[in-house]
Amino acid sequence: DVKVTQSSRYLVKRTGEKVFLECVQDMDHENMFWYRQDPGLGLRLIYFSYDVKMKEKGDIPEGYSVSREKKERFSLILESASTNQTSMYLCATLQGGSYEQYFGPGTRLTVT
Amino acid sequence: AQSVAQPEDQVNVAEGNPLTVKCTYSVSGNPYLFWYVQYPNRGLQFLLKYITGDNLVKGSYGFEAEFNKSQTSFHLKKPSALVSDSALYFCAVENNNDMRFGAGTRLTVKP
Repeated sequence: DVKVTQSSRYLVKRTGEKVFLECVQDMDHENMFWYRQDPGLGLRLIYFSYDVKMKEKGDIPEGYSVSREKKERFSLILESASTNQTSMYLCATLQGGSYEQYFGPGTRLTVT
Repeated sequence: AQSVAQPEDQVNVAEGNPLTVKCTYSVSGNPYLFWYVQYPNRGLQFLLKYITGDNLVKGSYGFEAEFNKSQTSFHLKKPSALVSDSALYFCAVENNNDMRFGAGTRLTVKP
């Protein structure tokens, strides 16, 4: 079974802090994604990566950056956290040629 | 650009009754369609997908979905609901490596 883990289930940060969210997968999938989930809005894609050191902007990249130095790890960075970034963050992976995304358990981030 | 609509925020059914969670989509070309489920405090889990072939797709936990090209719909169904089916359900469409999710429908099955 694919296992996707996220570094924290719950996180509370102050406005202006730099925040790192980590995602690690153990199935050698090429593709990794970061989404945020908000009530009534579903999942919105922030960034994705098709390979190591490669990244592409999704629909809502403003205020975020990502890093993929190793195939199994995809990090989401909030350079200066703001209250409107309070949300559930979901990491997902996808094997090349497949269609089914595998999701981590999510990180619920609160910015105060 | 493609999009997905889940017209119902909330669906309530009694245990043992059939359930339907609705999804319509808009996409140019042939769509790849998905249903995911999210149980409380957990990530999304894949339920089923339509890529090509038979319009009726069977998935996990007794769920099925019917692809209707003329109505651009992909409704999720189950003949007999269980209380444990209570969760948040997301429809998604994928085209050219671009996946879009609906806003989600909260299903509540009452005993």
